[in-house]
Amino acid sequence: EDQVTQSPEALRLQEGESSSLNCSYTVSGLRGLFWYRQDPGKGPEFLFTLYSAGEEKEKERLKATLTKKESFLHITAPKPEDSATYLCAVQTDSNYQLIWGAGTKLIIKP
Amino acid sequence: NAGVTQTPKFQVLKTGQSMTLQCAQDMNHEYMSWYRQDPGMGLRLIHYSVGAGITDQGEVPNGYNVSRSTTEDFPLRLLSAAPSQTSVYFCASRPGELETQYFGPGTRLLVL
Repeated sequence: EDQVTQSPEALRLQEGESSSLNCSYTVSGLRGLFWYRQDPGKGPEFLFTLYSAGEEKEKERLKATLTKKESFLHITAPKPEDSATYLCAVQTDSNYQLIWGAGTKLIIKP
Repeated sequence: NAGVTQTPKFQVLKTGQSMTLQCAQDMNHEYMSWYRQDPGMGLRLIHYSVGAGITDQGEVPNGYNVSRSTTEDFPLRLLSAAPSQTSVYFCASRPGELETQYFGPGTRLLVL
């Protein structure tokens, strides 16, 4: 069964303290892996798409990487405004619908 | 562009009542989807559409109906609301199969 698991469920960091969020997946064939950010009371907002192992993408303090089994979202020197829930989703070869992880809630304390 | 819009933002229903959640997009996207989001779970697909006149079921379709008469609109109907349908509902659209998906602001539904 296709599955996406995110860890940790929640992460509290001090401002400036770098860390990584994990998204592991077991799917029959990967078409693409997506990262989204979701603020409280709002819809998810697109961050990155990764298509193949070894690919990396960056945006401001965020960097997403992909291996054959998992993806990491690295956050460097985070600021309080980076606080949000980060969602990972996978699109498989068998259909074009996304399989979503439950998310990691990131809290950055000033 | 307004993007993806959803109405209402919040709704309270009694068990057995019916209602329609509205979703519209002004980006001329072919693909539209409805998700529900519950605490501790990933987004779950309810129904989706790949173009006007074409709809299909997702992972959790029971108790919900959809139709797609125009490219812009994709309403979700709750036929007879149940407490298990208490959730936050998101509508999303994208231009193509492997394109970025854009989400609406969500509708928070409480069924008593």
